[in-house]
Amino acid sequence: GESVGLHLPTLSVQEGDNSIINCAYSNSASDYFIWYKQESGKGPQFIIDIRSNMDKRQGQRVTVLLNKTVKHLSLQIAATQPGDSAVYFCAEIPSNFGNEKLTFGTGTRLTIIP
Amino acid sequence: ETGVTQSPTHLIKTRGQQVTLRCSSQSGHNTVSWYQQALGQGPQFIFQYYREEENGRGNFPPRFSGLQFPNYSSELNVNALELDDSALYLCASSRGGQGSEKLFFGSGTQLSVL
Repeated sequence: GESVGLHLPTLSVQEGDNSIINCAYSNSASDYFIWYKQESGKGPQFIIDIRSNMDKRQGQRVTVLLNKTVKHLSLQIAATQPGDSAVYFCAEIPSNFGNEKLTFGTGTRLTIIP
Repeated sequence: ETGVTQSPTHLIKTRGQQVTLRCSSQSGHNTVSWYQQALGQGPQFIFQYYREEENGRGNFPPRFSGLQFPNYSSELNVNALELDDSALYLCASSRGGQGSEKLFFGSGTQLSVL
C-alpha cells in the first residue's frame, strides 16, 4: 500500500550546525505535506507545511523542500539548538479535501550534541 | 502548548477489558481526529469526527469506536482490549471542513494492556 517513509532513523548534529532530515513518499496523489516535531511525552507539534504546487517553503530557521519528480521531502533546520532534539515526522494528505487524515512516516530522531 | 487536552494521561488495563479515552478540542475547532502511536512508530489514523459524525476511518476494527459531543469534545472507546492495543493514543483537533487544515495534537493517553 501507499506509505510515507524516512531514509534515516537517527541523526546527530553538533549544536549550531545545520541539519537535514529526509523523507520519501510513494503516493503520487498526495497534495499536502507537513513536518511535525514530537518531544518526549508530548504530541506531535506542527513545524511547517507545503503544498504540492510548491517546491520550497521557508519558516523561522526551517525550510521544507519538495521534489515531486522523485517523491522526496526534506526538512532543513538551520543553526540547530538543544531544543531541536526530538523525533521528526513527515506526513502527507491525499487530495481528498475535507478529511484531514494524515499518513505519517516512522520518524527520525534528531539529537543535538552540545 | 496546544489547547487540546486528553484524559487520562496514563492507563493500565487487562486483555478483554474496555476503555474510554477523552479529548477536549481547542477552542474554535469542530473536528477531532484520533491516532494510535505504537512505540517507535509514527501515528496511525483511527478515525475523525466532524459535527458529531464519523468522517473518515482508518484500518481499525469495529471494536474501536468514537463519539463527538455538541461541544466538540470526543471519546475513543476500545472494546475487547488486546495486547497490541498498547500504544499512545493521540487526539488532534482542527477547524475542519476545508481540508488540509492544521491539526493540533494533545499530549496523548498512554494505554498499557497487560
